[in-house]
Amino acid sequence: AQSVAQPEDQVNVAEGNPLTVKCTYSVSGNPYLFWYVQYPNRGLQFLLKYITGDNLVKGSYGFEAEFNKSQTSFHLKKPSALVSDSALYFCAVREGYSTLTFGKGTMLLVSP
Amino acid sequence: KAGVTQTPRYLIKTRGQQVTLSCSPISGHRSVSWYQQTPGQGLQFLFEYFSETQRNKGNFPGRFSGRQFSNSRSEMNVSTLELGDSALYLCASSMGDRGHEQYFGPGTRLTVT
Repeated sequence: AQSVAQPEDQVNVAEGNPLTVKCTYSVSGNPYLFWYVQYPNRGLQFLLKYITGDNLVKGSYGFEAEFNKSQTSFHLKKPSALVSDSALYFCAVREGYSTLTFGKGTMLLVSP
Repeated sequence: KAGVTQTPRYLIKTRGQQVTLSCSPISGHRSVSWYQQTPGQGLQFLFEYFSETQRNKGNFPGRFSGRQFSNSRSEMNVSTLELGDSALYLCASSMGDRGHEQYFGPGTRLTVT
């Protein structure tokens, strides 16, 4: 069975500093990996995905993620955090046409 | 292009009642998925429909059901509501292929009293 782990409930970072939100996954085959962001009282917004090809994926709002097959990780990164990046971030994995499985979410708090 | 719309946005029901939630996907999207989001359980998958057929089903009791119409619009129904059904119900649509991202609606906030 597929699964996703986001080991940190919360990540705190100062504005202007780089940020990383961690995600590890478990699938038996090739994964399709996604990052979403949720702002208060809103639905989820798609940020980026990894399907195949380059391990470094660039997405919306300056975010990027690195796929690491040996470590089964797909960490979300941004070189310089903004206060407006403060939100709940979800990593998700899908194998084939199975369901999209989400992690528990990581709250990102960017301080001014 | 209009996004995913969900109606109603807020709903208050009492235990034992039933409720129907509606979702209109992005034009051209053939897949609709439903999720339940609660603070304690996070995002839990309910079901996925593709071209009017249920493609996947989550681990929820039979009180939870859904369907998809020929125009890709979808409804989910919850019968005999329980207090624990209080949650944000999210609908998401996609083109339907395994690598396609899902686009989420704003959700329906259901409160059961």
